[in-house]
Amino acid sequence: QLVESGGGVVQPGRSLRLSCVASGFSFNKHAIHWVRQAPGKGLEWVAVTTYDGTAGYYAVSVKGRFTISRDNSKNTVYIEMTRLRNEDSGVYFCVRDADPSGYSGWFDPWGQGALVTVSS
Amino acid sequence: QSLLRQPPSASGNVGQRVTISCSGSASNIGPNTVHWYRQLPGSAPTLLIYSTSQRPSGVPDRFSGSKSGTSASLAISGLQSEDEADYYCAAWDDRLHGVVFGTATSVTVL
Repeated sequence: QLVESGGGVVQPGRSLRLSCVASGFSFNKHAIHWVRQAPGKGLEWVAVTTYDGTAGYYAVSVKGRFTISRDNSKNTVYIEMTRLRNEDSGVYFCVRDADPSGYSGWFDPWGQGALVTVSS
Repeated sequence: QSLLRQPPSASGNVGQRVTISCSGSASNIGPNTVHWYRQLPGSAPTLLIYSTSQRPSGVPDRFSGSKSGTSASLAISGLQSEDEADYYCAAWDDRLHGVVFGTATSVTVL
């Protein structure tokens, strides 16, 4: 199970941090991703952190503004979002990559999502 | 981020077979496995097919996945009314070093 928190309304240019707490599986053995969905739109991959948190990779649209991290002692993944734009609005899902060999986009399970609204 | 190409919609009568295509490239579908997700309105997506053709427990065998070259397909046989949903394909992209999603196919049961 994955439970996101930290969503809300934020002004453009400001920052917001989302958290995702995991339970029910060996957290420190899996890469964790963030995927977002703008209202009425499709799914967009945002970022991934490796199982040990030593590396993170980002979509071009958020690179340099978002930072993904994890604390394996707390079974928690974070995404720090800075310099937010209107187009960053949407539901942010935390997902486990179930691929035992690393990361492949095999997402299971999904969290329920955290709504982020960037608006003045 | 590049997207995998899917038809925007697909439809069929109850009991019929529907196929959804997912077109990619040599950096994503070509060398990597493909995964499929179903999303009902107002809900988070759920895993439907993983590793191109594997079904998670609980997913009926009416759903099947395949891949050829840089394209993949999801087939739904014996279409049922509860299959009405949005369907997405996804794959790792070696050039972008990230996951790319398809553009979503909305399935309607006539």
